[in-house]
Amino acid sequence: SQQGEEDPQALSIQEGENATMNCSYKTSINNLQWYRQNSGRGLVHLILIRSNEREKHSGRLRVTLDTSKKSSSLLITASRAADTASYFCATMYSGGGADGLTFGKGTHLIIQP
Amino acid sequence: NAGVTQTPKFQVLKTGQSMTLQCAQDMNHEYMSWYRQDPGMGLRLIHYSVGAGITDQGEVPNGYNVSRSTTEDFPLRLLSAAPSQTSVYFCASSQTGVPGELFFGEGSRLTVL
Repeated sequence: SQQGEEDPQALSIQEGENATMNCSYKTSINNLQWYRQNSGRGLVHLILIRSNEREKHSGRLRVTLDTSKKSSSLLITASRAADTASYFCATMYSGGGADGLTFGKGTHLIIQP
Repeated sequence: NAGVTQTPKFQVLKTGQSMTLQCAQDMNHEYMSWYRQDPGMGLRLIHYSVGAGITDQGEVPNGYNVSRSTTEDFPLRLLSAAPSQTSVYFCASSQTGVPGELFFGEGSRLTVL
């Protein structure tokens, strides 16, 4: 399976701290995406990074991609209570068609007030 | 600005019953898909479509049927419900045939007794 795997499975930090989540995958990819899911809601796209990119920023989010290690990280800076959610990486493997996007099992992030 | 709309939000079925989960998007997206989300399993692709009249199987298609008669609608049919189909179902769409950023509905929680 080309499924990405997030690490850690769960993370609890204090409000204001930075949160880092990691995603590892098995085969070459075209792009990697991060999604957020609030409890009981649908997933929301956060950021897409292509295989030829090493870093992308969006507001308080920073995503890095290391294709040599087949891994990505999502950093949320200055965390807020509203960042409490599950975060998923999704990988589009090289040569993959319309069924090529696969999701990991997620990291559950809790921000303590 | 509806995006992706799923109905119903909740449904309880008895084993052997059939039903249809509805999905509609108003963004003129080519790609539509159905995922199921189970605890500890992440999201798994059931069926997908790259345009009206075109459907294909994903990772876990057994027991489900789909059709795409219009660009906007992509219903998921459970032919004979089984307890193993108890899950949360998400419809998602993307602008192009090879999925980039996915837009998700709010989910349909199905319980099969």
